[in-house]
Amino acid sequence: SQQGEEDPQALSIQEGENATMNCSYKTSINNLQWYRQNSGRGLVHLILIRSNEREKHSGRLRVTLDTSKKSSSLLITASRAADTASYFCAHSGGGADGLTFGKGTHLIIQP
Amino acid sequence: GAGVSQSPRYKVAKRGQDVALRCDPISGHVSLFWYQQALGQGPEFLTYFQNEAQLDKSGLPSDRFFAERPEGSVSTLKIQRTQQEDSAVYLCASSLSARRGQWQPQHFGDGTRLSIL
Repeated sequence: SQQGEEDPQALSIQEGENATMNCSYKTSINNLQWYRQNSGRGLVHLILIRSNEREKHSGRLRVTLDTSKKSSSLLITASRAADTASYFCAHSGGGADGLTFGKGTHLIIQP
Repeated sequence: GAGVSQSPRYKVAKRGQDVALRCDPISGHVSLFWYQQALGQGPEFLTYFQNEAQLDKSGLPSDRFFAERPEGSVSTLKIQRTQQEDSAVYLCASSLSARRGQWQPQHFGDGTRLSIL
């Protein structure tokens, strides 16, 4: 079963606005990753943050990690219509080899 | 091609039939993963290979599910005596990781959408 939760489950914003998605998890982690999935396609890796990091940037993406609260957030700045997709956080650790994914946030960017 | 390739893209089978799903990982990628994704949910881990060795099959839901990677490249996920609850998208991913726990980004294929009637 999945061990993470994202919120909100769905988010609709205007193009140009910032989008923030949150993720919580339950176990200890080695790192936390964010992936994007366009409808009918596979997942694309966006960014990885290690358990000893608190914040990381990549282009228009900003990820934070709070291991004391077992939570992470993904901020997409200056959103574009092409950012419309589902976003998943995923983590490794706890002895498992595969990634444990949350349920995802479905982001819609209104042009 | 440069990415992970999965075939078929769509598979419809009658309940009770056996199905085989194929994954061609990125050339040179040591690690290969299979995930199951139900509609509206995140992927759930099924099994992991390092080269030809299946190191983790803890996510396989039943003994009807079987995966192999005999030569350390192409992998096949087989589901025997399919049931309706097996309907899902099956995703394959590969990564460069050569050591267990040494994480590299996983590269996903577009999946096989399996529908059991």
